[in-house]
Amino acid sequence: DAGVTQSPTHLIKTRGQQVTLRCSPKSGHDTVSWYQQALGQGPQFIFQYYEEEERQRGNFPDRFSGHQFPNYSSELNVNALLLGDSALYLCASSSTGRGYNEQFFGPGTRLTVL
Amino acid sequence: QKEVEQNSGPLSVPEGAIASLNCTYSDRGSQSFFWYRQYSGKSPELIMSIYSNGDKEDGRFTAQLNKASQYVSLLIRDSQPSDSATYLCAVNRASSNTGKLIFGQGTTLQVKP
Repeated sequence: DAGVTQSPTHLIKTRGQQVTLRCSPKSGHDTVSWYQQALGQGPQFIFQYYEEEERQRGNFPDRFSGHQFPNYSSELNVNALLLGDSALYLCASSSTGRGYNEQFFGPGTRLTVL
Repeated sequence: QKEVEQNSGPLSVPEGAIASLNCTYSDRGSQSFFWYRQYSGKSPELIMSIYSNGDKEDGRFTAQLNKASQYVSLLIRDSQPSDSATYLCAVNRASSNTGKLIFGQGTTLQVKP
């Protein structure tokens, strides 16, 4: 049973560029949440996707956008990158309607903005 | 006031001892509570979830929840050096299976041989 997968593992970009991160949820899961984790901090919620719609959004600017595909996989897009966007980006999958929102994380994408 | 607060540590315990990790939260509407373990350079791994007042045990781990005091804790019995990691407390307000997890900043645990 494959767990949550994310790609790429690492990414280096320069300020002003755009980036796309990808996530495939765990088998049987239909909900994907994205989090940003800065060094030494807990993850911060960016948004959550269910049925190809953004269901909830955290306190992040519109430069952060996402998408969910019919196969439940998801993308996170960040435009006009800032130095402060350097972080570990985590995707978490869960199953809406089953249990109490246990979310399982993928390995993450380490983004460095120079 | 932060929504979820944890002592950043480090908490240092000798091998074989009980490690006690604590977390407080501010939103009384919180319904579900989780503990994640995160090794350095890795992603968080779910180790315990708890939804009702009292204790929940799973192997060497016990989660304790007191909603009246807005307090959740994690006990690790017979601590091993492999338990050395950052432990993240996470809280979800929704009673259904939706919504964001709000994390504390994590407590670093060091288990010394």
